[in-house]
Amino acid sequence: EPEVTQTPSHQVTQMGQEVILRCVPISNHLYFYWYRQILGQKVEFLVSFYNNEISEKSEIFDDQFSVERPDGSNFTLKIRSTKLEDSAMYFCASKGLAGSKETQYFGPGTRLLVL
Amino acid sequence: DAKTTQPPSMDCAEGRAANLPCNHSTISGNEYVYWYRQIHSQGPQYIIHGLKNNETNEMASLIITEDRKSSTLILPHATLRDTAVYYCIVKGQGAQKLVFGQGTRLTINP
Repeated sequence: EPEVTQTPSHQVTQMGQEVILRCVPISNHLYFYWYRQILGQKVEFLVSFYNNEISEKSEIFDDQFSVERPDGSNFTLKIRSTKLEDSAMYFCASKGLAGSKETQYFGPGTRLLVL
Repeated sequence: DAKTTQPPSMDCAEGRAANLPCNHSTISGNEYVYWYRQIHSQGPQYIIHGLKNNETNEMASLIITEDRKSSTLILPHATLRDTAVYYCIVKGQGAQKLVFGQGTRLTINP
């Protein structure tokens, strides 16, 4: 069964450093998402991406964040200058079809720790 | 998207049916009811979704009331591996994001 994969599974970085989190969505999917979950809190939407552009973003997704689909398979989330409060699990998700005929499938997540 | 209300926690004995309720009294006509679960800190796992008819798949059944203001997720024969946080989410057809609440922490007891 096709799966969303994410690398790395864990990332430790120093405050102020740039990090890139990588995702390989399910191969025929067209819609891509990033969510995050701070320890003990709810899963929060960050951004959705379709047709090589951001289709929706949350207030959390400020200028420090960017997303890219550099080739036909990867979908990345970059945090330009990490802050302590960026420490969280980051989940990538992908979806095949428009509307509600298809649903979002999530990857296993990357645990980011900013020191 | 409509707001949902779920009990914070539930217990169920292994082998019994687990029935997880969800209230979504402000749901509108084009909004679907989705269920996901999250085991430990793993990625949310899709379970099932529906609009107004009851739905069943290999994982669970979804019963939606006729007025669509509430629904119940049924795990017919719960196992220890079904211990997780279960999220009921209402999402419109054109909406992109899933809005997660606190969910129901379901514990399956041996």
